[in-house]
Amino acid sequence: LAKTTQPISMDSYEGQEVNITCSHNNIATNDYITWYQQFPSQGPRFIIQGYKTKVTNEVASLFIPADRKSSTLSLPRVSLSDTAVYYCLVGPLGSGYALNFGKGTSLLVTP
Amino acid sequence: EAQVTQNPRYLITVTGKKLTVTCSQNMNHEYMSWYRQDPGLGLRQIYYSMNVEVTDKGDVPEGYKVSRKEKRNFPLILESPSPNQTSLYFCASSLSGGIRGKSEAFFGQGTRLTVV
Repeated sequence: LAKTTQPISMDSYEGQEVNITCSHNNIATNDYITWYQQFPSQGPRFIIQGYKTKVTNEVASLFIPADRKSSTLSLPRVSLSDTAVYYCLVGPLGSGYALNFGKGTSLLVTP
Repeated sequence: EAQVTQNPRYLITVTGKKLTVTCSQNMNHEYMSWYRQDPGLGLRQIYYSMNVEVTDKGDVPEGYKVSRKEKRNFPLILESPSPNQTSLYFCASSLSGGIRGKSEAFFGQGTRLTVV
C-alpha cells in the first residue's frame, strides 16, 4: 500500500475552512484515497473517498489533482466538534482488511 | 442499524488470566480485523480475516489469537495477557469487493483493556 504523509497537527478557529493535505507520491493506478476521522477513545469513522478530481458529500470535500500524488481534505466552517484526528489512506477498493492508518493529523478547533 | 459491536467496553484483568473480547457485525461483511491503539504508535493491526475460517496475522500478532467460525463474529483471544497488552482495541469490518466511492471500514466502539 502506498505510503502517505500528512501534517502531524493543525489548529483552526471555529467557522473557518480547514484544508488538510496528504502526500502519496507512490499511489498506484487502482488506488483510491480515503479519509477517516477519529475522536478520542472512539473508532475511526469513514469521511470521504475519491479517485480523481473532486468529491463532495455532506461532511467534506476531497480534492485530487490530475497526477494524484496528493489530495486535500476540506472541512467547511469547522466547529469545536470537528476536533479529531484525520487519517489519509491510500489503497485499492476492497482492501479494507488491512488499513494502514499512519499517525494522522490532529486537528484542534478553538473558539 | 449497521454496526460493529465489541464487548466488553472496559476490562481490567490480571497477568495470565485468559480473556476474550467479542466482536460482532450485522452487515454481512466478509472482512474483519482487530487493531490496537497506543499513544504515539497509532493504530496497528493485530489479525484480520477475509472470510469464515480464513485468518491471517497483521503487524503485531504476538500474544493474540483469533477465530472466525461464523461470518458475523470475530473474537480476539488473549491466552495469557501481559501488561504490555494494555491498550485500546478496535474491531473493524468491511466488504470484500468494495463499492466505488464508498468502500469503507466500520469500527466498533473500542475495548479499553488494562492488564495488571
